Amino acid sequence: QSALTQPASVSGSPGQSITISCTGTSSDVGGYNYVSWYQQHPGKAPKLMIYDVSNRPSGVSNRFSGSKSGNTASLTISGLQAEDEADYYCSSYTSNSTPYVFGTGTKVTVL
Amino acid sequence: EVQLVESGGGLVQPGRSLRLSCAASGFTFDDYAMHWVRQAPGKGLEWVSGISWNSGSIGYADSVKGRFTISRDNAKNSLYLQMNSLRAEDTALYYCAKDPSPGGFVNYYFDYWGQGTLVTVSS
Repeated sequence: QSALTQPASVSGSPGQSITISCTGTSSDVGGYNYVSWYQQHPGKAPKLMIYDVSNRPSGVSNRFSGSKSGNTASLTISGLQAEDEADYYCSSYTSNSTPYVFGTGTKVTVL
Repeated sequence: EVQLVESGGGLVQPGRSLRLSCAASGFTFDDYAMHWVRQAPGKGLEWVSGISWNSGSIGYADSVKGRFTISRDNAKNSLYLQMNSLRAEDTALYYCAKDPSPGGFVNYYFDYWGQGTLVTVSS
């Protein structure tokens, strides 16, 4: 099972919006609305930011939003803040033998 | 407050075994499926295994199938991962993660994670 493809890095200035893509196939991202996104600060555990493509858990800032088009899901962070600097991973259900697949990860840098 | 605390990691030689534990609190443990997810040093996340609330449904990643065994003890609010025939590529931080919905594997994401326990496989 190949990992979902994410850009290695994305950067933006405070207050700007950035978008992270997550590209899979029709067997995972494109076939199901089970895309989730996780934020991971250095040395910390991942934190759920988005589930089921576009839903935000309680307590997550509304500056984070998710969407999907075809085989590509996206996470948008608006009003970028210094605390948003972290690694971000997408994940999806997959119909392959291993039911959960993660993305390659994206390092977000706040300039 | 949901808390997941992993333990049991350490340095082990290739081919040997190790058993990881995850102590859960702050929620009704026996209502929820649980998972193990690992992260090799400087690398991304990889789902390893999952188990339903009553152990009736279990899944493994192809990379560990036949070598790792997941189990749980609902009376002790604990999740386990028995790792046999360990390889260098199993070196990783192993996270315990909670499924969001009661029952089995219905929602394919993880709403709470522990801090992880490090497994290093080396001679």
